Amino acid sequence: AQSVTQPDIHITVSEGASLELRCNYSYGATPYLFWYVQSPGQGLQLLLKYFSGDTLVQGIKGFEAEFKRSQSSFNLRKPSVHWSDAAEYFCAVGPAPGSGAGSYQLTFGKGTKLSVIP
Amino acid sequence: GEEVAQTPKHLVRGEGQKAKLYCAPIKGHSYVFWYQQVLKNEFKFLISFQNENVFDETGMPKERFSAKCLPNSPCSLEIQATKLEDSAVYFCASSLLRGLIYEQYFGPGTRLTVT
Repeated sequence: AQSVTQPDIHITVSEGASLELRCNYSYGATPYLFWYVQSPGQGLQLLLKYFSGDTLVQGIKGFEAEFKRSQSSFNLRKPSVHWSDAAEYFCAVGPAPGSGAGSYQLTFGKGTKLSVIP
Repeated sequence: GEEVAQTPKHLVRGEGQKAKLYCAPIKGHSYVFWYQQVLKNEFKFLISFQNENVFDETGMPKERFSAKCLPNSPCSLEIQATKLEDSAVYFCASSLLRGLIYEQYFGPGTRLTVT
């Protein structure tokens, strides 16, 4: 069965500092990987996704993530954090179409809460 | 529309009452998903539709939960005889499949409180 682990429940960084949020996945088939952000009381906004090709993917708001198959990881990074980045971040995995792994529902990690010190 | 719309934003029900949630997917998206987010940030997949057809219902507690996506109507998720454990935020997401690419766009959620 697929699973996503986000080892850090809560991370606090100073504004302007760099950020790395960790995500490890367990998936039997070819994974599609996603990072979403959730602000308090809001829905999920897609930051970036990885399907294939270049393992370093760029997203919105200056975020990037690197897919490392050998480590089953898809860590999210940002070189300089802004106070508005404070939110909950979720990593998710889904099946590649045609992989025979069922429908396209996503399996989510439990999230990492990011706090930013001004 | 360009956003997934969900109504109502908040819903309070007494235990045993019925709850009905609605979702309008992005126009042109052929897949709709329902997820339940409980207090510990756990997302649980409930059901998915491809157009008006159930695509995957492996996550649905079938004895009390039902869902529909009918043409020209918002999709709905209905809970008969709610229980305290149903208290959660219910998210709807829509997606289209373009070749081998898909992205799920989420609505703002409906917070269900069962008292």
